[in-house]
Amino acid sequence: DAKTTQPPSMDCAEGRAANLPCNHSTISGNEYVYWYRQIHSQGPQYIIHGLKNNETNEMASLIITEDRKSSTLILPHATLRDTAVYYCIVSRPNAGGTSYGKLTFGQGTILTVHP
Amino acid sequence: DAGVIQSPRHEVTEMGQEVTLRCKPISGHNSLFWYRQTMMRGLELLIYFNNNVPIDDSGMPEDRFSAKMPNASFSTLKIQPSEPRDSAVYFCASSLDGANEKLFFGSGTQLSVL
Repeated sequence: DAKTTQPPSMDCAEGRAANLPCNHSTISGNEYVYWYRQIHSQGPQYIIHGLKNNETNEMASLIITEDRKSSTLILPHATLRDTAVYYCIVSRPNAGGTSYGKLTFGQGTILTVHP
Repeated sequence: DAGVIQSPRHEVTEMGQEVTLRCKPISGHNSLFWYRQTMMRGLELLIYFNNNVPIDDSGMPEDRFSAKMPNASFSTLKIQPSEPRDSAVYFCASSLDGANEKLFFGSGTQLSVL
């Protein structure tokens, strides 16, 4: 699976948009970009994923560059509860059996949302 | 749905004792994963089951670790004998197969081996 590079930490003011970058220059054609977050003392939580088109759900938006070598997770209106470690992961999808995409978690980005 | 349920939430034991961690995946999910998290090594995948069959156990650190999934609604991770370096948070996660699956994690078991 392709490796990712994320900044170790970022700050954001409450109510503002948080833009978290991720570089994945060695991504393969069948690999997706997944974002998870982990709030202190909890298990990781799925946020969003995409292949090549931009994606949006109730939690966030995912912008993937045309060459797919980088992406940005956008939390449009950050709140204090969004303070967490955010993980960007590149993997092929889990199609069952031996054809599974192992989600390898790196160090992530510690996002701190302040009042 | 109650989500992925793990027990116990906390476990404190002495070196050499057997430890059993338990996981109930989300009903209908056919993939189950055990992860371990430490400050030094972050989140590591230990083992992956699909339809109750172990598919990838390459992350299991050594023979002291074993995992079973006797049915679709229950899995165990056993450490025998336990050592202080096994102290970590152990997470269980489940998912549906498919091109757009996502993992649902439990709340974890905080294991301390003294």
